[in-house]
Amino acid sequence: AQTVTQSQPEMSVQEAETVTLSCTYDTSENNYYLFWYKQPPSRQMILVIRQEAYKQQNATENRFSVNFQKAAKSFSLKISDSQLGDTAMYFCALTSSAGSYQLTFGKGTKLSVIP
Amino acid sequence: NAGVTQTPKFRVLKTGQSMTLLCAQDMNHEYMYWYRQDPGMGLRLIHYSVGEGTTAKGEVPDGYNVSRLKKQNFLLGLESAAPSQTSVYFCASSYWTGSGTDAETQYFGPGTRLLVL
Repeated sequence: AQTVTQSQPEMSVQEAETVTLSCTYDTSENNYYLFWYKQPPSRQMILVIRQEAYKQQNATENRFSVNFQKAAKSFSLKISDSQLGDTAMYFCALTSSAGSYQLTFGKGTKLSVIP
Repeated sequence: NAGVTQTPKFRVLKTGQSMTLLCAQDMNHEYMYWYRQDPGMGLRLIHYSVGEGTTAKGEVPDGYNVSRLKKQNFLLGLESAAPSQTSVYFCASSYWTGSGTDAETQYFGPGTRLLVL
């Protein structure tokens, strides 16, 4: 069974500063994918960034980047130049072909960006 | 291109009533999923489908049934609603070819909020 753990229920950051959200996972698969989803108050689930486990290079998307440590099974999200619109719940998720690509989610981290 | 849509957006049921949630996608995706989200928890998989005419159970399937008669639609049914089924329900879809850089990414609908009294 796959598990995803987010150990920070809530975090806050000053506008324009940098914040890192933590995620650890467990899977017995070699071929898997990791995601960060953002859920603003509208409840819409929005893909932030994805990482293929077979790629050593960390994924980046504009102000969002990840630190993928495969041996440690760690997948943290760094948000640079935080903006008020980044205020949301952030979910780390894991999928693999073994489970027909169903997503296993962590419990989420509530991020508040303070003006 | 509407992506993934869900109907209805909000519904109130009485215990024992039945209802069907509709999910539709216009991206020609093979895979479709139903999740539920409860306070303080991430999304949990109820049922999923890997193609038209096929369905399978997820992590929390009890009390729900699904059907995938058309590739673009995935229906979630509650035969006899219970207060424990009060939740926000999300549908998602993904396009999988077995290769590619975006194949395993799931795209979500806006959610349906269900309240069972």
